[in-house]
Amino acid sequence: NAGVMQNPRHLVRRRGQEARLRCSPMKGHSHVYWYRQLPEEGLKFMVYLQKENIIDESGMPKERFSAEFPKEGPSILRIQQVVRGDSAAYFCASSGRDSLYNEQFFGPGTRLTVL
Amino acid sequence: AQSVAQPEDQVNVAEGNPLTVKCTYSVSGNPYLFWYVQYPNRGLQFLLKYITGDNLVKGSYGFEAEFNKSQTSFHLKKPSALVSDSALYFCAVRYTDKLIFGTGTRLQVFP
Repeated sequence: NAGVMQNPRHLVRRRGQEARLRCSPMKGHSHVYWYRQLPEEGLKFMVYLQKENIIDESGMPKERFSAEFPKEGPSILRIQQVVRGDSAAYFCASSGRDSLYNEQFFGPGTRLTVL
Repeated sequence: AQSVAQPEDQVNVAEGNPLTVKCTYSVSGNPYLFWYVQYPNRGLQFLLKYITGDNLVKGSYGFEAEFNKSQTSFHLKKPSALVSDSALYFCAVRYTDKLIFGTGTRLQVFP
């Protein structure tokens, strides 16, 4: 049973370019969460999605960042016009139900470097 | 505000000795607490969780955690450390639909 898949694992962009990060949840999971880990810091919640719906985007920066989880295909985190401060590890997690009791399963992350 | 504190940036322990990684939390309502471990360049792996019931929770790889409501703590423990336990450990509390993480504690187990 494949776990949470993320690609690419490493992504290098120049300032002003766009970054697209993909996440395929575990089989049977319909809840996806994105977190960002800045160097030497813990993970910070960004957004929570279900199929075709954004449930909670309280952790998303107001500009340049967007996320989607279409009916078919992976969840996408999109960062437009990247800046050096966007350099971080971006982790996706999934769960089978949105319950306080259920653990989230994490992918290996995408490490974004902005030159 | 909901928060998790891990007061130690690093914990050093000799192989075979017991280890403790500390975590305290602040959350409104009942706390749902989790421990995750992160190996270099990897994602987070779930270790254990406290939802309700016994204050001592057993998890993967011989780890356990003790929930203490009066001290709002959820310390991670292992009776006998292994070199392979060396990694970054995160405590988290579930609040609505998100996990709120501590800043992490690096565990270094020396042979």
